[in-house]
Amino acid sequence: GAVVSQHPSRVICKSGTSVKIECRSLDFQATTMFWYRQFPKQSLMLMATSNEGSKATYEQGVEKDKFLINHASLTLSTLTVTSAHPEDSSFYICSARDPLGRRYEQYFGPGTRLTVT
Amino acid sequence: SQKIEQNSEALNIQEGKTATLTCNYTNYSPAYLQWYRQDPGRGPVFLLLIRENEKEKRKERLKVTFDTTLKQSLFHITASQPADSATYLCALADRGSTLGRLYFGRGTQLTVWP
Repeated sequence: GAVVSQHPSRVICKSGTSVKIECRSLDFQATTMFWYRQFPKQSLMLMATSNEGSKATYEQGVEKDKFLINHASLTLSTLTVTSAHPEDSSFYICSARDPLGRRYEQYFGPGTRLTVT
Repeated sequence: SQKIEQNSEALNIQEGKTATLTCNYTNYSPAYLQWYRQDPGRGPVFLLLIRENEKEKRKERLKVTFDTTLKQSLFHITASQPADSATYLCALADRGSTLGRLYFGRGTQLTVWP
């Protein structure tokens, strides 16, 4: 089946620094990737939809200047958390659709645990 | 407002029994609904999808039903095993939203004890 990877799996950074998270589709080309954030015992909240070669579409309430998304190729999307603060500590998960696969199936990465100290 | 509610935050059952998880939604027009399994510290893994015009889907020990009148989906795991212990998420795709955009419930944490 289709595989989506994320790197790093865990990251600890100091307040005020920036962190980049990578999301890769390993065996398919993903024109669309999604970025989610999940707090403990909460549902996955969509942050933005990342489209290859164009600007990301952000959900209401998500600061696009703080959460920079780049989808430069069909297999890679990156999320950069700029000037991170402790309240940005969360579990970040990406997902991707395989446009050549089953239309409705979505594949999730293993997630990245971000801790801002 | 739009809501997806998984009524039980936690469900504990004995091995061998059938686990039934509930997902109710409000103010959505689902094109389809999906169920995922999520283990601690991991991303969700797709289990089953059911479309708006389908009543029931099965896959091995899993069964999902979809009642658009009641605005509810039920997810069943028969002959449950301790390895089935995880958090189960329901997610739906709204007909008016971007293709692939999913809305998730908070999940039900299932524990199967021997």
